[in-house]
Amino acid sequence: EPEVTQTPSHQVTQMGQEVILRCVPISNHLYFYWYRQILGQKVEFLVSFYNNEISEKSEIFDDQFSVERPDGSNFTLKIRSTKLEDSAMYFCASSKGQKDEETQYFGPGTRLLVL
Amino acid sequence: AQSVSQHNHHVILSEAASLELGCNYSYGGTVNLFWYVQYPGQHLQLLLKYFSGDPLVKGIKGFEAEFIKSKFSFNLRKPSVQWSDTAEYFCAVNAGTGGFKTIFGAGTRLFVKA
Repeated sequence: EPEVTQTPSHQVTQMGQEVILRCVPISNHLYFYWYRQILGQKVEFLVSFYNNEISEKSEIFDDQFSVERPDGSNFTLKIRSTKLEDSAMYFCASSKGQKDEETQYFGPGTRLLVL
Repeated sequence: AQSVSQHNHHVILSEAASLELGCNYSYGGTVNLFWYVQYPGQHLQLLLKYFSGDPLVKGIKGFEAEFIKSKFSFNLRKPSVQWSDTAEYFCAVNAGTGGFKTIFGAGTRLFVKA
């Protein structure tokens, strides 16, 4: 069964550094998402992406964040200047976008630790 | 505002006990409802989903959930839990077609004693 994959599984970075988290969505899916889960807290929506542009973003997704689909398979989340509070598990998800049957499939996550 | 509430943050059960995890949502219009499970150290996995039709849906590993529209609820049940069901369970909702964010509840951490 096709799966969403993410790399790296873990990343440690210094505050102020840029990080890029990578995702390969399921191949025939059209919608892509990033969520994050701070340790011990709920999963929070960051952004959705369709047809090479952002569909929706949350208040968390400020100017420090950006997303890109640089080629036909990858979907990336960039954090320009990381802060301590960016430490979290970041999940990528994708969906077909079928009307009335929207299931989002999640990747295994990237655990980001900002020191 | 859209929200999902899970009634219990932590549940401890013995093996073979019955399980019911409560979930209520606040969301205008037609919704899709989900339960995801996150086993220790693993990623979110879809347990079951409801889109339309029979409000009693069956998922993997013997889990089922019942959608009660009048109560805005989507409770998860399992008649007899196993030690391997120890995990965190998330109720979630989204609004149909693609591009819509999925809103998650805070999660219920289930611990099953062997």
